[in-house]
Amino acid sequence: RKEVEQDPGPFNVPEGATVAFNCTYSNSASQSFFWYRQDCRKEPKLLMSVYSSGNEDGRFTAQLNRASQYISLLIRDSKLSDSATYLCAPRRGAGRRALTFGSGTRLQVQP
Amino acid sequence: SAVISQKPSRDICQRGTSLTIQCQVDSQVTMMFWYRQQPGQSLTLIATANQGSEATYESGFVIDKFPISRPNLTFSTLTVSNMSPEDSSIYLCSVDGHASTDTQYFGPGTRLTVL
Repeated sequence: RKEVEQDPGPFNVPEGATVAFNCTYSNSASQSFFWYRQDCRKEPKLLMSVYSSGNEDGRFTAQLNRASQYISLLIRDSKLSDSATYLCAPRRGAGRRALTFGSGTRLQVQP
Repeated sequence: SAVISQKPSRDICQRGTSLTIQCQVDSQVTMMFWYRQQPGQSLTLIATANQGSEATYESGFVIDKFPISRPNLTFSTLTVSNMSPEDSSIYLCSVDGHASTDTQYFGPGTRLTVL
């Protein structure tokens, strides 16, 4: 089993749609979680951190379920510019600061 | 957020040669990380570089193949040695943000093609 699993997609949605991605992780020592956005041929850009209480930033909402070891990302009112690959990245925990990345979920927002 | 630059941005190299990639950060950071992203794949951690100590390598990566230097708190290099086409990849360095932010930022990456 991979340490971090994501549905690769692609998710093809119309503009204005709401779309949700899930990510499961196997390392119970992970304490911090992040969603990154990666555009084609670019480096990952931090989208948002994920806290136990959830985190909302405009149209984006991230939630964490420690018991089931998954995190989610909800995008409301999708824009064409949201088209990208979304990477889930838990920190390794147990004093290790590096991230473990999922394979990413591809989102294509269509006009 | 930290501003990270990498050199070169891209290179095309012959098999059997070596390439050194530089990573420069605009502020002092304790840890720097080197990742690889092979075509169509996600990011894989190569090693963690701490200033003043040996880099810590992940399973499947060895110092002879990927020697790392970390001479100060703002700079690191990764060398890809004795390259083969399988080393064609994007190499990215990253650093933790300010302690209060608990984030990690990435450089723009070095796109390497080995012929």
